[in-house]
Amino acid sequence: ETGVTQTPRHLVMGMTNKKSLKCEQHLGHNAMYWYKQSAKKPLELMFVYSLEERVENNSVPSRFSPECPNSSHLFLHLHTLQPEDSALYLCASSQDPRQSTGELFFGEGSRLTVL
Amino acid sequence: TQLLEQSPQFLSIQEGENLTVYCNSSSVFSSLQWYRQEPGEGPVLLVTVVTGGEVKKLKRLTFQFGDARKDSSLHITAAQPGDTGLYLCADDAGNMLTFGGGTRLMVKP
Repeated sequence: ETGVTQTPRHLVMGMTNKKSLKCEQHLGHNAMYWYKQSAKKPLELMFVYSLEERVENNSVPSRFSPECPNSSHLFLHLHTLQPEDSALYLCASSQDPRQSTGELFFGEGSRLTVL
Repeated sequence: TQLLEQSPQFLSIQEGENLTVYCNSSSVFSSLQWYRQEPGEGPVLLVTVVTGGEVKKLKRLTFQFGDARKDSSLHITAAQPGDTGLYLCADDAGNMLTFGGGTRLMVKP
């Protein structure tokens, strides 16, 4: 099993659709993250979960809704998205972020296109 | 809010050439990480530097951390097509990483 697995790899959706991105980590880590990667912009942190509790929410619009049912799984629920939300969504995990993040282990990303 | 600037934004070179890319911060780094992201993949950690003036080597890659811990450079010797990718620097401050915009490197055979 690879370290961090994301599905789907590619997703095309209309503005009125509801879809979800899934992330699973097999590394025994305690923290999981969602990042957004757009063209010409730095990686943007969206959400951080540490020990299944959300510890960071960087002013992300409510049309993005994260869920972390356990330390190995992370979801990003998408609803009523806008075309500018089209981007690569990267999931990552780290061992213990309480003092510093340490190394992030990224998945391959989910390429989202909103029509 | 800390700003990380990476330069150049794009670099296209021939195989065998040397290159240096830079990462500069508006404030002192807590600790600095360098990642490489290959096309279609997520970023992968190359190195972490913590101490001002630190130099680390990873095969043909040499990482330097400025004495004041506000800047860093990555030098690649004799670049190869396999070095192609997006090079990202990031500051590790607490429970989040702040990333720079990256340098996109293409090494042509």
